[in-house]
Amino acid sequence: KAGVTQTPRYLIKTRGQQVTLSCSPISGHRSVSWYQQTPGQGLQFLFEYFSETQRNKGNFPGRFSGRQFSNSRSEMNVSTLELGDSALYLCASTGQDFNEKLFFGSGTQLSVL
Amino acid sequence: DQQVKQNSPSLSVQEGRISILNCDYTNSMFDYFLWYKKYPAEGPTFLISISSIKDKNEDGRFTVFLNKSAKHLSLHIVPSQPGDSAVYFCAASAISGAGSYQLTFGKGTKLSVIP
Repeated sequence: KAGVTQTPRYLIKTRGQQVTLSCSPISGHRSVSWYQQTPGQGLQFLFEYFSETQRNKGNFPGRFSGRQFSNSRSEMNVSTLELGDSALYLCASTGQDFNEKLFFGSGTQLSVL
Repeated sequence: DQQVKQNSPSLSVQEGRISILNCDYTNSMFDYFLWYKKYPAEGPTFLISISSIKDKNEDGRFTVFLNKSAKHLSLHIVPSQPGDSAVYFCAASAISGAGSYQLTFGKGTKLSVIP
C-alpha cells in the first residue's frame, strides 16, 4: 500500500503570497489531518477532514484553510504569507479507528522570505 | 497553554542502556496516548500507544507506562540502539465535539544513542 504523499516537498515563497499544499492519503483512509511543525514547537494541529467535511479545527488564523475532495485527497491553503509561516507542514491520514494511529507523509517544507 | 509537555529537549544514552523519555499532560479528558518517532526530513512514524484504562503496554524493546493520577507517561527503550536516535513525540487524544479525535503533541525529545 502506498503511504501518504505530500507535494511539493519544498517551497519557497515571499511575504504576501499564497500557497497551496497537496496531500494524498493512504488508499481507503477517509480522515486527513494537517499539522504545522516549527523548530522547538512540536506539531500543532491545523484541521481535520472526513468525507469532505471539516470536523475539527486548531487555533490558527483564517489565513489557513483547507478542503477535501471526494477521493479523500486534501489541500491546504495559506494566504497572505508571513515570515512566521515558515514551517514543515505535515499531512496525516487514518482509517475508521482514528485512535489507533496517524500515518504521516514526509511533509512540505515551506520557507517564507 | 501547553497540554502535553516533554520537559527534556534532549537525552543522550549509551548503546545497550535504557532510554527513558518522559511526558506530562494536564487535560484529564485525554483517553489515549501515543509515541511517535521522527527522523530528519521524514514524517513522524507511530511507535506505541496506550489506552487510559491500562498502565503499561509493551512492544518488543519499547514499553510505555501511564500514571493517570500523576498525569504522566514514559517511554522505555531497552536496550537502546544507535538506530533509535531520533526525535520522539508524545501525543494525547480526546474526542472533540464534532466526533473526531484530535491529537495534541508535545514539543519532542531528541534522543541520541552513543555507540
